[in-house]
Amino acid sequence: GENVEQHPSTLSVQEGDSAVIKCTYSDSASNYFPWYKQELGKGPQLIIDIRSNVGEKKDQRIAVTLNKTAKHFSLHITETQPEDSAVYFCAASIKGTYKYIFGTGTRLKVLA
Amino acid sequence: SQTIHQWPATLVQPVGSPLSLECTVEGTSNPNLYWYRQAAGRGLQLLFYSVGIGQISSEVPQNLSASRPQDRQFILSSKKLLLSDSGFYLCAWTGLYNSPLHFGNGTRLTVT
Repeated sequence: GENVEQHPSTLSVQEGDSAVIKCTYSDSASNYFPWYKQELGKGPQLIIDIRSNVGEKKDQRIAVTLNKTAKHFSLHITETQPEDSAVYFCAASIKGTYKYIFGTGTRLKVLA
Repeated sequence: SQTIHQWPATLVQPVGSPLSLECTVEGTSNPNLYWYRQAAGRGLQLLFYSVGIGQISSEVPQNLSASRPQDRQFILSSKKLLLSDSGFYLCAWTGLYNSPLHFGNGTRLTVT
């Protein structure tokens, strides 16, 4: 079945450094890849997404890259700040459905 | 703009008691609706999704059921709760195919 692997499960960085979270998906037909940030006690919030016809997308300090051949996509956060500390989830669409497969999450800690 | 409401925020229920969690969406028509469960420190497990009134797809056999009595209302129920039903329950919606999932703020259910 469809699967999304996400690494690392935890990540600690110093404030101002960059953070990279990587995901690999199994279904080559997946064509939409959102990223979510979940703060403690809240629902996940969409932070950026990318479609399969684009290789990279940026929004201020956040960027996502997609390698369709390798079935990899990554989240890049530059100049990290303490408020970036949260759990981040990647997801991939399942072609022909309205469903998404989520990664297992990465707990990011930005150390001041 | 669209908003999603989910209640209650927290709930403590004894084993064997019934459950009803409600979710409503405002500002959109005919949304696709979802119920997810998140165990502590874990990923997101899709429980049910609905593409229209009365249309419910169950993803995981379990002690729970879902109903969609109105276009923008999604209800998660159980006749008799088990200890294993404890978790963080999230309602979500999407509009068009391959569009972002928008999550509510969740209900933390503790079954004692």
